[in-house]
Formats: sequence, C-alpha cells, structure tokens
Amino acid sequence: GESVGLHLPTLSVQEGDNSIINCAYSNSASDYFIWYKQESGKGPQFIIDIRSNMDKRQGQRVTVLLNKTVKHLSLQIAATQPGDSAVYFCAEMPTSGTYKYIFGTGTRLKVLA
Amino acid sequence: EAQVTQNPRYLITVTGKKLTVTCSQNMNHEYMSWYRQDPGLGLRQIYYSMNVEVTDKGDVPEGYKVSRKEKRNFPLILESPSPNQTSLYFCASGPSSSYNSPLHFGNGTRLTVT
Repeated sequence: GESVGLHLPTLSVQEGDNSIINCAYSNSASDYFIWYKQESGKGPQFIIDIRSNMDKRQGQRVTVLLNKTVKHLSLQIAATQPGDSAVYFCAEMPTSGTYKYIFGTGTRLKVLA
Repeated sequence: EAQVTQNPRYLITVTGKKLTVTCSQNMNHEYMSWYRQDPGLGLRQIYYSMNVEVTDKGDVPEGYKVSRKEKRNFPLILESPSPNQTSLYFCASGPSSSYNSPLHFGNGTRLTVT
C-alpha cells in the first residue's frame, strides 16, 4: 500500500479501548475543521467536522473537541476496532469560503488485538 | 456511488517524458483540486478550479499544468517531469454551494520519476 508518512507519530491502543488523537492548528481565525482518516492505499476519507462556534460534536463512535483558546483539536474514537487502524489528520480552513485548507501531517493509529 | 476517480494508480516514468493524470468526479461538484502528499508534510495544494474554465495556482504549482474544460474532469499535466515530482498525488472535489464543506478525495496516484 501507499506510505503516507514514514515517521509519523504513532498511537497504539488496545482493541476496545478509547483513542484520543490530537492536533494543534495554526490560525486563530480558522472557523472550520475536519478530521480525515487515511487507510493504506486509499485517499483521505471524511470522518467528522466542526465549526468554530461549537466546542464539541459527536458522530458514530467519534467525537471531536475544539479548544479555541489553545488552538487545539482532538478526535476521540470510542471502543477502537481493528478497522480504525489508519493515519488520521486534521484540516483547518483559515479563510471561510475558499476551500483553502491547511492539512496536518497526521498520526498513525495502530489497534492491537 | 459518489466518487472521485483517478488514473493511473501507479506510474513510473523518466525525466522529461510528458504525462497526464486524469481525475473525474460524478457528484456535479464545482470545485476541484490537486494535492501532493510527501512524507512528513501535510497535503500541499498544486492547482485548483472553482468551476469550468476557471483554474488557479495553489501553493506548489511549479512544473504542473491543469485544465477544466468540463465540470467532471480535472487532469493534471506534467509537461517535463523531474525526480522532485516523485510523490503521491490526490485529486479532490467539493460543492460550491457551501465552501465550509469537506473535500472528497480520490484514491491517489503514486508517481515515480527516474
């Protein structure tokens, strides 16, 4: 499969445990944020998004938390499964209405059986 | 199925030999974009298009060309590839009705230039 990044930070979690992946974003004016999942050999896949007027948003097994004070975004995955193994990266949009995303480099999540 | 399709998935070529990577989307999206992904770096934008016949440079446009003659297609052209263009390339699309929307990505093209 494709090598997304040879030296990405790696988070190893036991199957069934919760995972927390963090992202520090760069622009305090950013008003829209996305988490993507990238499996080996595939393109980035949308997981969840959040707008700057929210602190928390929940999806199915995933929760995104936004802390604008410290420019921090986190992705929580509940009851992590083997299929969650992938690279996860965040994206911020500094200028609304432009699609000019800034993408993070990502974190590799490894789920241990 | 809504998707962005890139071809080829893998391409090995030699320096200076012109090549085209195709991208097609079936979601009627106005916005399309090309990115390259290199180890240790986030996705970097090469070119983008807000609509048919409208294209503009991204952050790393040198050595690349694009065209947008039809809404669904957005090919990436390397007129004279060089080894520093060895990378993983992604095409993406999104609706213009709401710019605060996630992009939809293709599955990538791994290009090696020797």
